[in-house]
Amino acid sequence: AQKVTQAQTEISVVEKEDVTLDCVYETRDTTYYLFWYKQPPSGELVFLIRRNSFDEQNEISGRYSWNFQKSTSSFNFTITASQVVDSAVYFCALKVAGTASKLTFGTGTRLQVTL
Amino acid sequence: KAGVTQTPRYLIKTRGQQVTLSCSPISGHRSVSWYQQTPGQGLQFLFEYFSETQRNKGNFPGRFSGRQFSNSRSEMNVSTLELGDSALYLCASSPPEAGPVGANVLTFGAGSRLTVL
Repeated sequence: AQKVTQAQTEISVVEKEDVTLDCVYETRDTTYYLFWYKQPPSGELVFLIRRNSFDEQNEISGRYSWNFQKSTSSFNFTITASQVVDSAVYFCALKVAGTASKLTFGTGTRLQVTL
Repeated sequence: KAGVTQTPRYLIKTRGQQVTLSCSPISGHRSVSWYQQTPGQGLQFLFEYFSETQRNKGNFPGRFSGRQFSNSRSEMNVSTLELGDSALYLCASSPPEAGPVGANVLTFGAGSRLTVL
């Protein structure tokens, strides 16, 4: 069985601070995919990034960056210079190969960015 | 390009009733999956449909069912509603697999928020 743990329930930061959201996953499969989604108050889950288990290269996209480490089964997400618009619930999710649409989600981290 | 459309957005039912939720996927997407989101259990996979066939199913009772039509639109039905069925029901669609199964990205709709009284 797969499991995703997001230990941080809620994080509050002041605008312009950097913030890292932690994600630890468990799976026995060797081929799997990791995702981050953002859920603003409107409810829609917005896709941010996908990583496959064979690609440990870290990625930076604007103010967002992701650190994937298989050795620690972690896939952490950092927002640099946070903004109020970043306030949302962020979910880390895992999908194993062969299960086309079955995502296992973490419990989410609520990020509150204030002025 | 239109996104995933879910209707209705909000609805209120009473215990024992049944409900049908609808999902229109992005044009060209043939896979539709459903998720339930509650404060207590978080986001949980309900089932997935591909080409009108259920391809995968989560751990939910038989009161939860779904179907997919030839135009890829999907409906899910919950019969004999219980208080615990109050949740945000999210639908997601994904394009035909271009690579390994599992690599596809799901695009979610805004959800249908069901309240059971």
